[in-house]
Amino acid sequence: GESVGLHLPTLSVQEGDNSIINCAYSNSASDYFIWYKQESGKGPQFIIDIRSNMDKRQGQRVTVLLNKTVKHLSLQIAATQPGDSAVYFCALGGRGVTGGGNKLTFGTGTQLKVEL
Amino acid sequence: NAGVMQNPRHLVRRRGQEARLRCSPMKGHSHVYWYRQLPEEGLKFMVYLQKENIIDESGMPKERFSAEFPKEGPSILRIQQVVRGDSAAYFCASSAAGQYNSPLHFGNGTRLTVT
Repeated sequence: GESVGLHLPTLSVQEGDNSIINCAYSNSASDYFIWYKQESGKGPQFIIDIRSNMDKRQGQRVTVLLNKTVKHLSLQIAATQPGDSAVYFCALGGRGVTGGGNKLTFGTGTQLKVEL
Repeated sequence: NAGVMQNPRHLVRRRGQEARLRCSPMKGHSHVYWYRQLPEEGLKFMVYLQKENIIDESGMPKERFSAEFPKEGPSILRIQQVVRGDSAAYFCASSAAGQYNSPLHFGNGTRLTVT
């Protein structure tokens, strides 16, 4: 079945440092991966996505890396800022996983705390 | 350019009452998804709807829960005879297309508390 796990429930980083949040998955049929950011009291906010035909994708201050061989996904945030403090979720989907539509499977989340 | 709108933001119900949660998707989006989130957990899929059709309700409890997305108006998630275990945050998301790799845009949720 599908399962999504995160290596660390809480990550503390100093302001200005780079952050790396990891995610492991088990279903090799997954071919679409997304990172969401959720601030307290708000809904998940889309950060970046990547399809299985890629192993790296960059956005503004964020990079997602996908290693399909070991079924591992990571989110890198450059020059972490206080506003980056939130819970980060990886989510996976894919035609083979969800059978249609965009029924995503979410991980349990990593709390990122940025220390000044 | 409004995003996904959910109301109410907070809803308190006594056990046995009904809860109605509303979701207006982003403009131009005709695909709606409902997710439930328990404290310190990830979001769990409940149901996927297009206008007037339920496409996938595999995550919905078999009893007491129903969802609709009428031709006109918002999508409604209805919970009858609520119990304490229904207390959670309910999030609605919408997408422009029903493709598996079409990003979902979430609302800020309705936090249901059952007393």
